[in-house]
Amino acid sequence: QKEVEQNSGPLSVPEGAIASLNCTYSDRGSQSFFWYRQYSGKSPELIMSIYSNGDKEDGRFTAQLNKASQYVSLLIRDSQPSDSATYLCAVKLHGSSNTGKLIFGQGTTLQVKP
Amino acid sequence: DTGVSQNPRHKITKRGQNVTFRCDPISEHNRLYWYRQTLGQGPEFLTYFQNEAQLEKSRLLSDRFSAERPKGSFSTLEIQRTEQGDSAMYLCASRIAGGTIYEQYFGPGTRLTVT
Repeated sequence: QKEVEQNSGPLSVPEGAIASLNCTYSDRGSQSFFWYRQYSGKSPELIMSIYSNGDKEDGRFTAQLNKASQYVSLLIRDSQPSDSATYLCAVKLHGSSNTGKLIFGQGTTLQVKP
Repeated sequence: DTGVSQNPRHKITKRGQNVTFRCDPISEHNRLYWYRQTLGQGPEFLTYFQNEAQLEKSRLLSDRFSAERPKGSFSTLEIQRTEQGDSAMYLCASRIAGGTIYEQYFGPGTRLTVT
């Protein structure tokens, strides 16, 4: 079992729709979770962090965390063609508290069609 | 200075040559990370520095790889006797010290192609 798992997609949604991206993780003790956006040929860009169960909203983005189910998701409302990218889920594992290194999923490719 | 910088942005080298990459973190960040990313995969952790001390190295970091961070500022990653399997994007990230804030910010990366 991979430590962080994402469906590689592609996930295709029409412009204006809600895109829902999902991520599961194996380390039950993990406390810190991140979503990065990566355009083709570019480096990852941090868009959301979440540390507590529940929802965290930032503009059109909402991160949702359910530690009991070991599940974190990212919702993108009013999706735009410019949101088309690969979205990476990253987890700071419980055992890595001394370094803070992140474990990444393989990413989900999102395509927003005009 | 508003972000992490990396140089060079692209490097093409022949198998067997040595290459060195540089990373300049955000100025107030004393934690620095190197990751490697291949096509279709997420970044994989290579090594971590706290100030000038290298505190963790991944098993991915073979003996041909060495990293340093003299004086706790910029960092270099050297690959000796490059192999075609070393072709990847090498990413540097930094974060602020202490507390419970673990957000890492990535530089633009160095894309290495070994021919």
